Amino acid sequence: SQQGEEDPQALSIQEGENATMNCSYKTSINNLQWYRQNSGRGLVHLILIRSNEREKHSGRLRVTLDTSKKSSSLLITASRAADTASYFCATDTASGTYKYIFGTGTRLKVLA
Amino acid sequence: NAGVMQNPRHLVRRRGQEARLRCSPMKGHSHVYWYRQLPEEGLKFMVYLQKENIIDESGMPKERFSAEFPKEGPSILRIQQVVRGDSAAYFCASSPSGLEAFFGQGTRLTVV
Repeated sequence: SQQGEEDPQALSIQEGENATMNCSYKTSINNLQWYRQNSGRGLVHLILIRSNEREKHSGRLRVTLDTSKKSSSLLITASRAADTASYFCATDTASGTYKYIFGTGTRLKVLA
Repeated sequence: NAGVMQNPRHLVRRRGQEARLRCSPMKGHSHVYWYRQLPEEGLKFMVYLQKENIIDESGMPKERFSAEFPKEGPSILRIQQVVRGDSAAYFCASSPSGLEAFFGQGTRLTVV
């Protein structure tokens, strides 16, 4: 079964609006990462947040982690058309093998 | 420092042929991961390797698939006797420590 599941599956917003994506997972983790994938391309690493952290920022990105609820959120502020992509969360399994389990992604479309 | 290099970018094979996918990790990275992505889906973990060792192959199909990461040279994902269901994008990632992973652009395998 999926370790990470993103919600919503698809999101369409106007340029300048904020976009929020959520990720839920099932088992304990050491860290959680968010990636972006443009259509037909490879993945770009956005942010890594460790299990003892609650919030991290990087430019227009803000990631929160709630280990009690086993969930994370990615907020993109002041979205741009170039933010159009699929966004995935990836979690390790806290088992020491450092393999990452990806969710099915949120497809974000930012309309100009 | 070049990123993770995968080749070929696109590979077409007829049913029953062999497919060899190559991945050169970033300089200094000794951890390599292979993932498979079916259309409109997230990435599925296949195998985690360190130099000359397979650490975790729990995501690899039991038959026809094999992976190696020799002391010298790239990591190779080998698929024997390909079938249509093997058509997918195969991504390689490398890491210096097993935490943050850097992904290549992927190899898109089409089986005809």
